[in-house]
Amino acid sequence: EVQLVESGGGLVQPGGSLRLSCVVSGFPFSDYWMTWVRQAPGKGLEWVANIKQDGSERDYVDSVKGRFTISRDNAKKSLYLQMNSLRAEDTAVYYCARGLWSLDCWGQGTLVTVSS
Amino acid sequence: DIVITQSPDSLAVSLGERATINCKSSQSILYSSDTRNYLAWYQQKPGQPPKLLIYWASTRGSGVPDRFSGSGSGTDFTLTISSLQAEDVAVYYCQQYYSSPYTFGQGTKLEIK
Repeated sequence: EVQLVESGGGLVQPGGSLRLSCVVSGFPFSDYWMTWVRQAPGKGLEWVANIKQDGSERDYVDSVKGRFTISRDNAKKSLYLQMNSLRAEDTAVYYCARGLWSLDCWGQGTLVTVSS
Repeated sequence: DIVITQSPDSLAVSLGERATINCKSSQSILYSSDTRNYLAWYQQKPGQPPKLLIYWASTRGSGVPDRFSGSGSGTDFTLTISSLQAEDVAVYYCQQYYSSPYTFGQGTKLEIK
């Protein structure tokens, strides 16, 4: 069974940092691009970042460039999102998802709240 | 960035009736070299992550019932549910993956009339 399990969310003050993790099982992680998507409370979906199988290519939405870093550890079957200089508008549920384009498997998400 | 606009924002349909959701892209997402439309549809039920329904604008995802179908090309796309079931109550999103950032529509909330 394919599983993606996010962790690392929580309450953080503006300007702070968090590192999200996504551990996967049930499929060959190193064969797939991976993506982070977020959803602000009561709002729609926003594509955040993706990373190639070997980590050699990464892409970000403009609003997080220079602040967020996506990375992966294929040996640990894990995807990460390092989030620095957090802002109130980064408050959202963050989902990891499998794929480069269409996203065919998703985790349950982890909530990040940026507030003083 | 490509802007994706869905219509309507919300929709109420009777059980067994057809539901139609539209998705319009600010530019063509038909890639000429492979003649594919770079568009996906997702279903999100309350408290759950999104689920992939359709990709390449018209290909159903794994295990997706055949009452769900996608159509359209270029800039205009449609998700159709041929006979609405109670379990189809959800928010539906389209997403373009023609160019980064891979933007989503604002969502369409589907309810039972």
